[in-house]
Amino acid sequence: DQQVKQNSPSLSVQEGRISILNCDYTNSMFDYFLWYKKYPAEGPTFLISISSIKDKNEDGRFTVFLNKSAKHLSLHIVPSQPGDSAVYFCAASRQGSQGNLIFGKGTKLSVKP
Amino acid sequence: SQTIHQWPATLVQPVGSPLSLECTVEGTSNPNLYWYRQAAGRGLQLLFYSVGIGQISSEVPQNLSASRPQDRQFILSSKKLLLSDSGFYLCAWSAGASTEAFFGQGTRLTVV
Repeated sequence: DQQVKQNSPSLSVQEGRISILNCDYTNSMFDYFLWYKKYPAEGPTFLISISSIKDKNEDGRFTVFLNKSAKHLSLHIVPSQPGDSAVYFCAASRQGSQGNLIFGKGTKLSVKP
Repeated sequence: SQTIHQWPATLVQPVGSPLSLECTVEGTSNPNLYWYRQAAGRGLQLLFYSVGIGQISSEVPQNLSASRPQDRQFILSSKKLLLSDSGFYLCAWSAGASTEAFFGQGTRLTVV
């Protein structure tokens, strides 16, 4: 049973437009959520995170929104750039889990010039 | 600053052969250490984690084992590889619970 779901395996966006990547979770005990970006043959790199006490966190072009009642979070990238093309993983953890992250399957973002 | 090293980057091994992947972290003490696997068409699956020397927790029963002989060293092993062990293996560290994990560059393992 998948606790973290990314239902869109791929997303294609025009350069300069907004990219919205979605993630749903089922475990209400999760209290910390992260987004990672991964290029082929490389390890994932941390992008942005949000604690369950917040509903929004912004860092430059990247904003993560959390809707706890819907158990849904999203990553917005504005404006999208060709260099943003990568696989984006949503991850969740809960306090006391020793930092273990539960990952979604990822969404491949393609930003077209 | 903290760095994480993982090697080798790629590995091709025959079925039934042993495996040893090594990961070391620099610039931090007593990190939590993790082994993840990304198999084709799947997300990142946590295999093992360790909160201290000699302390290993397994998340998924399988053909692999892990060891932490030193504070900043984490080793993934197998006595006999299976075809299904092929995948992209990632080592990661974190400073503790509820903080982001930082990943190594990964090892592409192909079992033939």
